[in-house]
Amino acid sequence: AQTVTQSQPEMSVQEAETVTLSCTYDTSESDYYLFWYKQPPSRQMILVIRQEAYKQQNATENRFSVNFQKAAKSFSLKISDSQLGDAAMYFCAYRSVTGTASKLTFGTGTRLQVTL
Amino acid sequence: GAVVSQHPSWVICKSGTSVKIECRSLDFQATTMFWYRQFPKQSLMLMATSNEGSKATYEQGVEKDKFLINHASLTLSTLTVTSAHPEDSSFYICSASPGTYPYEQYFGPGTRLTVT
Repeated sequence: AQTVTQSQPEMSVQEAETVTLSCTYDTSESDYYLFWYKQPPSRQMILVIRQEAYKQQNATENRFSVNFQKAAKSFSLKISDSQLGDAAMYFCAYRSVTGTASKLTFGTGTRLQVTL
Repeated sequence: GAVVSQHPSWVICKSGTSVKIECRSLDFQATTMFWYRQFPKQSLMLMATSNEGSKATYEQGVEKDKFLINHASLTLSTLTVTSAHPEDSSFYICSASPGTYPYEQYFGPGTRLTVT
């Protein structure tokens, strides 16, 4: 079974600075998807970024980018120019590509605080 | 696009009663829906996966007789918590997938259940 590990329960960053959230995973599959989800205080899950394992290029979405190291099974999220609205819980997640009903496996989450 | 709603957003029920939570995909057909449970300050735990017209597949340790899941149409899945007890109090989140590449899961806003 796949596992996802987030070793940073809490992180803090100053507004306009850059922060990196860590995620490692374990799998025997060669192809899969990795995600970062944001859960603000409203608790609505919001997809931040998606990475397909067969793509070597790191995904980027505006201020959000990932560092995907397939051999090391590492998938970190970098948030540039942090904003107050970035404060939330961030979950790393894994999904297999086999089958259309593949479930998401979530890490334990990192709470990000953004300070002035 | 890709909006998922849940109803109710918050429900309080008495111990021993049953409560039904609805999950609807508003602008797409969801071949697969997922139900998650989230305890305070914890990650999402998958409870079950349901495909339209089929019996739900429950994760290990989830009581299928207690958490009844019905996916009667391509836009509606329901979770019924039967004979609820205080320990069932939690935040329940559904997600829906349209069954087409890349099989994205779209999350509902969640339902807070309090059993008194």
